[in-house]
Amino acid sequence: DAKTTQPNSMESNEEEPVHLPCNHSTISGTDYIHWYRQLPSQGPEYVIHGLTSNVNNRMASLAIAEDRKSSTLILHRATLRDAAVYYCILRGASGGSYIPTFGRGTSLIVHP
Amino acid sequence: KAGVTQTPRYLIKTRGQQVTLSCSPISGHRSVSWYQQTPGQGLQFLFEYFSETQRNKGNFPGRFSGRQFSNSRSEMNVSTLELGDSALYLCASSLGPGDSTGELFFGEGSRLTVL
Repeated sequence: DAKTTQPNSMESNEEEPVHLPCNHSTISGTDYIHWYRQLPSQGPEYVIHGLTSNVNNRMASLAIAEDRKSSTLILHRATLRDAAVYYCILRGASGGSYIPTFGRGTSLIVHP
Repeated sequence: KAGVTQTPRYLIKTRGQQVTLSCSPISGHRSVSWYQQTPGQGLQFLFEYFSETQRNKGNFPGRFSGRQFSNSRSEMNVSTLELGDSALYLCASSLGPGDSTGELFFGEGSRLTVL
């Protein structure tokens, strides 16, 4: 199964942009890149996903490298409520296998 | 609409016992997947069910099992509990399997403590 690699933690100041990286060098052509975040004492929640092109929604932007071996989740203006663990996972139907690998994610600390 | 509901939210068991956890997906969702979350291993995939059939399974021993009912509700069971089974068990629902563009909607989890 394709796996992702993320830094254990990152820090940011409130109101500043945050770039959360994810490496997925073994990604296959049919894998979608999904991002989820988990706030304290809650289940993960969907943030954004994409296949090849950069994506924007009300929560964040997703920048995908041209070779698709890495991606970056961009929070344009971090708030204290963005402090969470962010997971980058691959979801795909390649070979009929669908086993999302979350790992430990990146713990984002936001300073006021 | 109602989200994913997991019961019970908290439970305490002793080694050797068994436990059954329940997950009710979002109405209309036919896929339910289960995950174990621990501080040491992070969030790990257990298995996925769609239309009452297990479609994929993670790398967990046979003590971990599950099933899905015709109304898409799912249960997972852990037999002969070990201390290492203490974890937050999360379930997620989605519209269907192999739905690569579909979001996963998670419940708040069932916190299991094994003494």
